[in-house]
Amino acid sequence: AQSVTQLDSHVSVSEGTPVLLRCNYSSSYSPSLFWYVQHPNKGLQLLLKYTSAATLVKGINGFEAEFKKSETSFHLTKPSAHMSDAAEYFCVVSDRVTGGFKTIFGAGTRLFVKA
Amino acid sequence: DADVTQTPRNRITKTGKRIMLECSQTKGHDRMYWYRQDPGLGLQLIYYSFDVKDINKGEISDGYSVSRQAQAKFSLSLESAIPNQTALYFCATSDPRTPGDTQYFGPGTRLTVL
Repeated sequence: AQSVTQLDSHVSVSEGTPVLLRCNYSSSYSPSLFWYVQHPNKGLQLLLKYTSAATLVKGINGFEAEFKKSETSFHLTKPSAHMSDAAEYFCVVSDRVTGGFKTIFGAGTRLFVKA
Repeated sequence: DADVTQTPRNRITKTGKRIMLECSQTKGHDRMYWYRQDPGLGLQLIYYSFDVKDINKGEISDGYSVSRQAQAKFSLSLESAIPNQTALYFCATSDPRTPGDTQYFGPGTRLTVL
C-alpha cells in the first residue's frame, strides 16, 4: 500500500541555519516523489520532483532532496534558511496504477524561520 | 496570467445551500483534480477527470459532485452544504506525458459553511 509520512508537523530554525524536512514513504513500485510549498493564503507550488533519474534532485530557491530507496526517504534540505522560506511543505508520492497514477499527500510540515 | 484559476477565491454560505466552485486552466492538460485541505490532514482527493468524458471518485466524494464542461473547465458542486465541508479547496491539472504526472495547482477557494 502507498503512504507518505512527514515526520515533523512543525520545524523551527534560525535564519541562516540549515533546514531539514523529513519524509518517508511506502510504495509498491518505483514511485515519483515531489515536494510542494504552500505560502499563507496561496496555492501549492512545485519545489522539486524525483522521477527515477538522478537521486539528488535540485529544486527552486536553493532546496534539494535526496531519494534513498534503501531508507524509503526523500528528505528536503536547504543549507541556509531565509525568512521567506517560512511556509508549509508537503511531500507527495505518485505511483503508477491501472489506468494512470495514484497520488498521496503527506500531512505537511510547517517551517518557522526565526530572525 | 495564472495557468490554473479558481472562482470564487472565498465564499461564505449557509447550511443546505447549493454551491459551485469553478476551475479553469490554460495549460492544455487533459487531467484535472479537486482536492480539499483541512489543517493537519494534507490534501484529500475528491474527484478527478482524465479527460472530458471521464469522471472518477476520489477518497472523499460523498456530498460532492463534479462536471467537466470542457478540457479547460472542471467544476465542483456541493448539493447541500454542511458545516464540515468548511475547508480550502484546490483544483489541479496534470499532463500524463510528463514524468511522474506532475500536478499544478490553482490558488484555492476558501469555503465556509455556517
